Amino acid sequence: EDQVTQSPEALRLQEGESSSLNCSYTVSGLRGLFWYRQDPGKGPEFLFTLYSAGEEKEKERLKATLTKKESFLHITAPKPEDSATYLCAVHEGGGFKTIFGAGTRLFVKA
Amino acid sequence: NAGVMQNPRHLVRRRGQEARLRCSPMKGHSHVYWYRQLPEEGLKFMVYLQKENIIDESGMPKERFSAEFPKEGPSILRIQQVVRGDSAAYFCASSPREGTNWETQYFGPGTRLLVL
Repeated sequence: EDQVTQSPEALRLQEGESSSLNCSYTVSGLRGLFWYRQDPGKGPEFLFTLYSAGEEKEKERLKATLTKKESFLHITAPKPEDSATYLCAVHEGGGFKTIFGAGTRLFVKA
Repeated sequence: NAGVMQNPRHLVRRRGQEARLRCSPMKGHSHVYWYRQLPEEGLKFMVYLQKENIIDESGMPKERFSAEFPKEGPSILRIQQVVRGDSAAYFCASSPREGTNWETQYFGPGTRLLVL
């Protein structure tokens, strides 16, 4: 069965303390891995799409990487405004269903 | 460039009533997804539609739930005879299905349904 597992469930960082969020997946024929940010009471905000192992994408303090079994979201020198839930999702190969992980709740303290 | 729009943002219904949730995709997008998010849980896929066509409804409950995306107008998620367990946030997303990020989904703000 296709699955997406994110870890840790929650992460507390001090401002400026870099870290990484993990997304491991099992899916037959990956057609895309997506990272989103979700603030309380709002819809997910698109961050990155990755299609193949070895691919990397960056945006401000965020960098997403992809291997054959997992993806990492690296946060460099985070700020309090980076506090949010970060969601990982994969597109099921051969179909149209998108499977989301449960998310990692990030708290950045000033 | 307006994003994905959903209305209403909040909807309160009594058990047994009908709920209608609307979604207008981003300009130029002709594909729509619906998701449900229960409190403290992840997003669960419900249905994927393009104009006048349901492509994948494998995540839809077998009864009481239906979705449509007519040629004109917004996509609608309809829940008949609501029960308390239907209380959740319902999100709509649209994708361009062409270009560089053709499978990337852009989400609306959601409709929060509360069933009393």
